Amino acid sequence: GENVEQHPSTLSVQEGDSAVIKCTYSDSASNYFPWYKQELGKRPQLIIDIRSNVGEKKDQRIAVTLNKTAKHFSLHITETQPEDSAVYFCAASGFSGNTPLVFGKGTRLSVIA
Amino acid sequence: DGGITQSPKYLFRKEGQNVTLSCEQNLNHDAMYWYRQDPGQGLRLIYYSQIVNDFQKGDIAEGYSVSREKKESFPLTVTSAQKNPTAFYLCASSIGGEWETQYFGPGTRLLVL
Repeated sequence: GENVEQHPSTLSVQEGDSAVIKCTYSDSASNYFPWYKQELGKRPQLIIDIRSNVGEKKDQRIAVTLNKTAKHFSLHITETQPEDSAVYFCAASGFSGNTPLVFGKGTRLSVIA
Repeated sequence: DGGITQSPKYLFRKEGQNVTLSCEQNLNHDAMYWYRQDPGQGLRLIYYSQIVNDFQKGDIAEGYSVSREKKESFPLTVTSAQKNPTAFYLCASSIGGEWETQYFGPGTRLLVL
């Protein structure tokens, strides 16, 4: 089945700097890649997603890139702010659309003011 | 995700006791999911359901049971066979079909007395 690896597990950046989180997946048939942000004690919330027919997607300070050949996708946060501090999870759709999302283990991002 | 509710927010289980976690959604979503989250871990899938009266085991189904008698409800029972139930439990739902964007409930934290 699908396997999703996420790196790094922790990331600290200075306020205003950029943050990049990378994920790799194993199933070349996967076609949907969402990113979730989870604040302490709260529910994960979708922040951006990308489908396999698109290489990049942006939403204000957040962007996601997808390299289907290498089977990896990345989250880019520019001009980081303290409120960006949270755990971020990547996910990939299962093979053949018959299994649910498979999640990475998460990245704890700390933005230092 | 405001249309997904979970109760209770905190639940205490005594040894040998079965407990049931509630999950309700008013989003008219076909698919529903249960995840377990442990500190430093990602989201591990317990059970999922594509349609009413049908559900499948996820990666860690042992010691858990579910039912899907109504489209809007997907309760999870943590049985006495689950020896290490302390965790944060998250319910999610999606439109279905292509297993895409999942929306999460606020979660239930289960603690063992």
